[in-house]
Amino acid sequence: NAGVTQTPKFRVLKTGQSMTLLCAQDMNHEYMYWYRQDPGMGLRLIHYSVGEGTTAKGEVPDGYNVSRLKKQNFLLGLESAAPSQTSVYFCASSTPGLAGTQYFGPGTRLTVL
Amino acid sequence: AQSVSQHNHHVILSEAASLELGCNYSYGGTVNLFWYVQYPGQHLQLLLKYFSGDPLVKGIKGFEAEFIKSKFSFNLRKPSVQWSDTAEYFCAVRDTDKLIFGTGTRLQVFP
Repeated sequence: NAGVTQTPKFRVLKTGQSMTLLCAQDMNHEYMYWYRQDPGMGLRLIHYSVGEGTTAKGEVPDGYNVSRLKKQNFLLGLESAAPSQTSVYFCASSTPGLAGTQYFGPGTRLTVL
Repeated sequence: AQSVSQHNHHVILSEAASLELGCNYSYGGTVNLFWYVQYPGQHLQLLLKYFSGDPLVKGIKGFEAEFIKSKFSFNLRKPSVQWSDTAEYFCAVRDTDKLIFGTGTRLQVFP
């Protein structure tokens, strides 16, 4: 039981490049989330999904897109990376009845030059 | 929408000292409250949670938190900290299907 996994762990991009971050969970959770963590700002929700085929915007969605084609996967895309998107990205999942009890992945450290 | 405030940004303690980290949320009604911990270089883990019932909640590693509805607070406490408690602590409140996190409190414990 791997829990929540994220790919890749580290990535360096140049401004304007695109990339996709993959989150996978094997706990059969309905809900999945993408956060970014920046010093002094805590965790901010980018997008989330309450089920396969659904997505919703969080607090800071601009510049990001997401897809939830399969229940176990939640993809976060950056179409044209900007230095302001340099951050640590965390994925999390939970069940509907316990939406606050989230299980987090190990994070992806992204640097945009 | 809900919001969460953590007023202590950085706390430095010696081992065996007592700890209290403040957390306030923005409005009342039924609330679900959480404390998460992030050890250096690791992902967030749940410390404890309050859904209903006894306002004094006990979590892992000797931590506890008290829900005080009249003060909109959910402060985290530990009677005697250890060096291994060095970490960042996040308070969070549930807002329908998602969590709203505070900005975090960095705790450093020195031997």
